[in-house]
Amino acid sequence: DSGVTQTPKHLITATGQRVTLRCSPRSGDLSVYWYQQSLDQGLQFLIQYYNGEERAKGNILERFSAQQFPDLHSELNLSSLELGDSALYFCASSKRLAISTDTQYFGPGTRLTVL
Amino acid sequence: AQKITQTQPGMFVQEKEAVTLDCTYDTSDPSYGLFWYKQPSSGEMIFLIYQGSYDQQNATEGRYSLNFQKARKSANLVISASQLGDSAMYFCAMREGSAGGTSYGKLTFGQGTILTVHP
Repeated sequence: DSGVTQTPKHLITATGQRVTLRCSPRSGDLSVYWYQQSLDQGLQFLIQYYNGEERAKGNILERFSAQQFPDLHSELNLSSLELGDSALYFCASSKRLAISTDTQYFGPGTRLTVL
Repeated sequence: AQKITQTQPGMFVQEKEAVTLDCTYDTSDPSYGLFWYKQPSSGEMIFLIYQGSYDQQNATEGRYSLNFQKARKSANLVISASQLGDSAMYFCAMREGSAGGTSYGKLTFGQGTILTVHP
């Protein structure tokens, strides 16, 4: 158990819908990251928050947004869902902002299926 | 350009034998970290081992060791005494250390290697 929690574990929804994925980081970790894992794209970085502020952005679609709350939990919002958004979404957390040695610990993931 | 390359889509090993999973990387940043993660069929990503670019010695963690060859830009994972439970996908990842810009903390992953341990 990494100490990172994600809910829900599975999510099945229809095209055009909106969903929210939730993540609680390990105790003491200030950075939260979101990654998407799909068969064609592999593991892709989406976005990073540090202590409530957005600090880095990857290949995140405009239909996707995220935030980190004062209690440091984070939510990833996916809207106008398309079939291609079906993937495993991971949240990870680490202690620091920008140190190369800082290990990221991953949650169990949310498997999103868009029908 | 591909920053992390794992050239072995699949590897097979006999139980109790050692196996090496290859990883090469590309960066011009002098400060970086290299990480290996294991993803079993259940889907979770499990951190295994880490090597910093300035570390003088190869990292070891139980049955896992990292063969770090900086000049060759390779960071191969060695699993000794393989067990059936080691069957999984293994990912090599890099985190570059330059602060600023838009890449503060992101991990860049390779495509992964599926390891199958035979009894």
